Amino acid sequence: DQQVKQNSPSLSVQEGRISILNCDYTNSMFDYFLWYKKYPAEGPTFLISISSIKDKNEDGRFTVFLNKSAKHLSLHIVPSQPGDSAVYFCAASAIFGNEKLTFGTGTRLTIIP
Amino acid sequence: DGGITQSPKYLFRKEGQNVTLSCEQNLNHDAMYWYRQDPGQGLRLIYYSQIVNDFQKGDIAEGYSVSREKKESFPLTVTSAQKNPTAFYLCASSPQPRVRIPTQYFGPGTRLTVL
Repeated sequence: DQQVKQNSPSLSVQEGRISILNCDYTNSMFDYFLWYKKYPAEGPTFLISISSIKDKNEDGRFTVFLNKSAKHLSLHIVPSQPGDSAVYFCAASAIFGNEKLTFGTGTRLTIIP
Repeated sequence: DGGITQSPKYLFRKEGQNVTLSCEQNLNHDAMYWYRQDPGQGLRLIYYSQIVNDFQKGDIAEGYSVSREKKESFPLTVTSAQKNPTAFYLCASSPQPRVRIPTQYFGPGTRLTVL
């Protein structure tokens, strides 16, 4: 039972354009969402997060949007840069869930120069 | 430098042998976690520990064991009972969750290959 879904395994975007990565979830108890970036053979790096009391959080080139009614969140990267090429994981945490994170399967983003 | 270290980076073992993966953190974090990543899959939780001398099973604990004798250390043993141990193993830590910010910080990972 995949509670966090990233339905696009891969995405290619031209350098300078906007990258939009999507994530859907099914568990209504999730109240905190995070995005991680991962290079091959390395540990994931925390990028940005959002609490369910907000619908948008911005940090430099990265913005996360949360649509609770649709149980959907997205990560926008603008402008996209070659160094953004990596696998991006969406993760969610449930209230009273012992702070455990449930991860999606990841989206491989490739930025085309 | 504060951070999480995992050693070794690459590990090879023969089938049927137990192997222990190291994870150390100097971030003064209370909680620590072990995940495995397989190709095309997300991170799956093996075990986690929120305080010293206490740990809980994650989603795929069978064939694994852990200990948490010190706050800084959370070693993972992959036993011969684990049917498919070849994977990339990731250790993470997070501060005591008094504040609702469950961000976890990851080590560099250990690639285990069982021959």
